[in-house]
Amino acid sequence: AQSVTQLGSHVSVSEGALVLLRCNYSSSVPPYLFWYVQYPNQGLQLLLKYTSAATLVKGINGFEAEFKKSETSFHLTKPSAHMSDAAEYFCAMGGGADGLTFGKGTHLIIQP
Amino acid sequence: DAGVTQSPTHLIKTRGQHVTLRCSPISGHKSVSWYQQVLGQGPQFIFQYYEKEERGRGNFPDRFSARQFPNYSSELNVNALLLGDSALYLCASSSRQGGGNNSPLHFGNGTRLTVT
Repeated sequence: AQSVTQLGSHVSVSEGALVLLRCNYSSSVPPYLFWYVQYPNQGLQLLLKYTSAATLVKGINGFEAEFKKSETSFHLTKPSAHMSDAAEYFCAMGGGADGLTFGKGTHLIIQP
Repeated sequence: DAGVTQSPTHLIKTRGQHVTLRCSPISGHKSVSWYQQVLGQGPQFIFQYYEKEERGRGNFPDRFSARQFPNYSSELNVNALLLGDSALYLCASSSRQGGGNNSPLHFGNGTRLTVT
């Protein structure tokens, strides 16, 4: 069965510091991988997706993620955190008729 | 262009009642999926519809049902509501079936259902 694990339910960084949100997946077939962001009282917005064409994927708002097959990981990073980055972040896998499998989410807190 | 729209935004129901949630996909999108997001958790897949047919179903009881109309809008119905059905219900659309790599999901802002 497919599963997605996000390490750390809460991550706190200072404004301007590196953001690192961790995601590991379990899948018997090459996965489709995604990162979504959710702001309070809103739906999910796609940040980036793994296309298999490149292991380093660039997304919106300065975020990027690196697919590492050997580590079954797809960690999300941003070089310099901004106050507006405070939100809930979800890693997800799949996308076929079985839908997306989401992790439990990581709440990103930005300290001024 | 309008995004995915869901109605109502909030509603409160009593245990045992029935509820219908509505979703309009992005224009041109033929696939609609429904997800349940319980507070503090990631969304869980309920249904996927494509071209008005059910193409996928998550691990939810038969109290949950859905349909897609000729204009590709969709309804999610939940019968015999339980307290545990309280959640944010998200609708997502995609241009092709599956919402996969080449056809990512676009989510609405959800319907917040509270069951008392």
